[in-house]
Amino acid sequence: GENVEQHPSTLSVQEGDSAVIKCTYSDSASNYFPWYKQELGKRPQLIIDIRSNVGEKKDQRIAVTLNKTAKHFSLHITETQPEDSAVYFCAASAMSSGTYKYIFGTGTRLKVLA
Amino acid sequence: DADVTQTPRNRITKTGKRIMLECSQTKGHDRMYWYRQDPGLGLRLIYYSFDVKDINKGEISDGYSVSRQAQAKFSLSLESAIPNQTALYFCATSDPDRHGYTFGSGTRLTVV
Repeated sequence: GENVEQHPSTLSVQEGDSAVIKCTYSDSASNYFPWYKQELGKRPQLIIDIRSNVGEKKDQRIAVTLNKTAKHFSLHITETQPEDSAVYFCAASAMSSGTYKYIFGTGTRLKVLA
Repeated sequence: DADVTQTPRNRITKTGKRIMLECSQTKGHDRMYWYRQDPGLGLRLIYYSFDVKDINKGEISDGYSVSRQAQAKFSLSLESAIPNQTALYFCATSDPDRHGYTFGSGTRLTVV
């Protein structure tokens, strides 16, 4: 069945360094890839997304890249800050029965060390 | 953040009891979802609904049922709760023109 693998499961970086989280997906029909950030005790919130007709998208310190051929996409956070510490989830979505349904990765716990 | 509201926020129940988790939204979205979150397993889809007359099973629907009482309300029931249903449950909504989900604040359920 459809599957999204996410790595690493935990990631520690020094404040100011960059962090990269990678996901691979199995369904070649997937065409929408969101990333969610979940702070401790809070709900997941959408931070950035990319569609399959685009290879890269940036929003300030956050960027997402997509390689459709290899079926993987990555989240890049530059100049990390303590408030970036959270669990990050990737997801892949494909049109099914006229609408979209997500498959989520298992999450990456990012710790930014001051 | 009050656009998607879940009740209760926390609940402890005994094995075999029936329990209902409720979700209501003011975003006007037709699409609503129930997810379960477990450590190391991410978010897994239980049920979803694209309108009041539409109910679909997700990847882990066994042991759960849902009711879409209105466009704004989507309830999840555990007919006979068991300990491995202990988890954090999220309701979410989405707009067909924008793919991002809006999640509720979650319900932490413990079955003892």
